[in-house]
Amino acid sequence: EIVLTQSPGTLSLSPGERVTLSCRASQSFSSTYLAWYQQHPGQAPRLLIYSASSRATGTPARFSGSGSGTDFTLTISRLEPEDFAVYYCQYYGSSPRTFGQGTKVEIK
Amino acid sequence: QVQLVESGGGVVQPGRSLRLACAASGFPFSSSYMHWVRQAPGQGLDWVSLIWYDGSNTHYAESVKGRFTISRDNSKDIMYLQMNNLGAEDTAVYYCAKEAQGEGPMAFDIWGQGTRVTVSS
Repeated sequence: EIVLTQSPGTLSLSPGERVTLSCRASQSFSSTYLAWYQQHPGQAPRLLIYSASSRATGTPARFSGSGSGTDFTLTISRLEPEDFAVYYCQYYGSSPRTFGQGTKVEIK
Repeated sequence: QVQLVESGGGVVQPGRSLRLACAASGFPFSSSYMHWVRQAPGQGLDWVSLIWYDGSNTHYAESVKGRFTISRDNSKDIMYLQMNNLGAEDTAVYYCAKEAQGEGPMAFDIWGQGTRVTVSS
C-alpha cells in the first residue's frame, strides 16, 4: 500500500499569497497516478489536478501541479477567497486508492 | 447533467446492516469504474471499494473486507454498498465517485453529495 503524507497540516494565509502544498509517497510511482482534490466544508471533494500536472475541467489556471517519483506539489499562484479549503492528494494507480491526510488552507 | 446521488444512510446499531445506493445520470454508467469513499467526522478521505464497469471485479480496503459488498445494476444505473456487522469505526459520510474515462486507472472526476451513516446504540 502506498502511504501519502501531506505537509503542512494547516496553512494560514492571506488572499493574494502564493501557496505550495506537499505530498510525499512511501514509495515511488508514476506521476500518471497522482491527483489533487479540493474540499470545502460540508461539500463533496472536487477533482483539481490529475496525472500530477493536468488541470481538470474547470480548474483555474492559478492551480498547478508538479512532481515525480515520491514528491509531488500543488501550487496556487495567488489565493482567491474561494481557495480556502482542504486539499487532498491521491494515488490511484492500483488498489487501495489511497489519500493523503489533507492540508487545510485557512484565512489568516 | 452528470450526477451521482447517494441514499440509504441513517442511524444503525452496532452489528447491524445497511445498504447504500448511488444513482447515476448524465454519463455512460455501464462503462464507468465506480468507487465508494468515506469520511469520518472531522477526518480525511478514506477509500472503501471499487467495482469494475461490468461488475466483474471488485476491490476493498482491508478495513471493510469481508463485511462490505459492492455491486451494481447497469440496467438501472445504480451502484450499491452492502455494509454488514457495522461498528462505530464505520461512522462516516459515504460518497460514491466515478473514475474519469480513459486508459487504465483514472482520477475521480464526479462525486455524489454523500450520505451519512452513524453507527450508535
